[in-house]
Amino acid sequence: GENVEQHPSTLSVQEGDSAVIKCTYSDSASNYFPWYKQELGKGPQLIIDIRSNVGEKKDQRIAVTLNKTAKHFSLHITETQPEDSAVYFCAAWTTNSGNTPLVFGKGTRLSVIA
Amino acid sequence: ETGVTQTPRHLVMGMTNKKSLKCEQHLGHNAMYWYKQSAKKPLELMFVYNFKEQTENNSVPSRFSPECPNSSHLFLHLHTLQPEDSALYLCASSQVGSVNYGYTFGSGTRLTVV
Repeated sequence: GENVEQHPSTLSVQEGDSAVIKCTYSDSASNYFPWYKQELGKGPQLIIDIRSNVGEKKDQRIAVTLNKTAKHFSLHITETQPEDSAVYFCAAWTTNSGNTPLVFGKGTRLSVIA
Repeated sequence: ETGVTQTPRHLVMGMTNKKSLKCEQHLGHNAMYWYKQSAKKPLELMFVYNFKEQTENNSVPSRFSPECPNSSHLFLHLHTLQPEDSALYLCASSQVGSVNYGYTFGSGTRLTVV
């Protein structure tokens, strides 16, 4: 089955700097890669996703890149702000696998220092 | 109401008690999930329901008993729990077979077993 590794487990950056979180996956059939943000006291919320037919997707200050050959994908946050502080989870899935659940990474706790 | 609603938000129970967690989704989704989130295993899949049928049980102890009476409601019945069962219990829903693959999570129930 699919296995998703996520690094780093914790990340501290100064406000205004960029943050990068990396994930690798094992199943070459995976073709959907979402990222979730979990703020304190809340459930994870989908912030961006990418499908295997594109190599990069951007939404304002966040972007995700995908390297299918190397089987890794990354979340990039630019001009970080204190409200970006949260736990971020990556996940991988095969869209034609029926209801096989998403496989999540173990999360990255991002702290943005003002 | 919109999204995924979980009740109660907080629950303290003794090891001999019986309690239930409730999840309701207002998104018209056809699949629902229970996750356990603790410091040791950040997002641990417990149960999957697809069109009200349980399709996955990740070796969860029998002291946890799920129930899915319809595609909008999901319960987790708890009895004779152990202190190590203290965690955040998250419910999620998704639309299997749709082009929108993402999960929508509730805010969770913070469970403390004393």
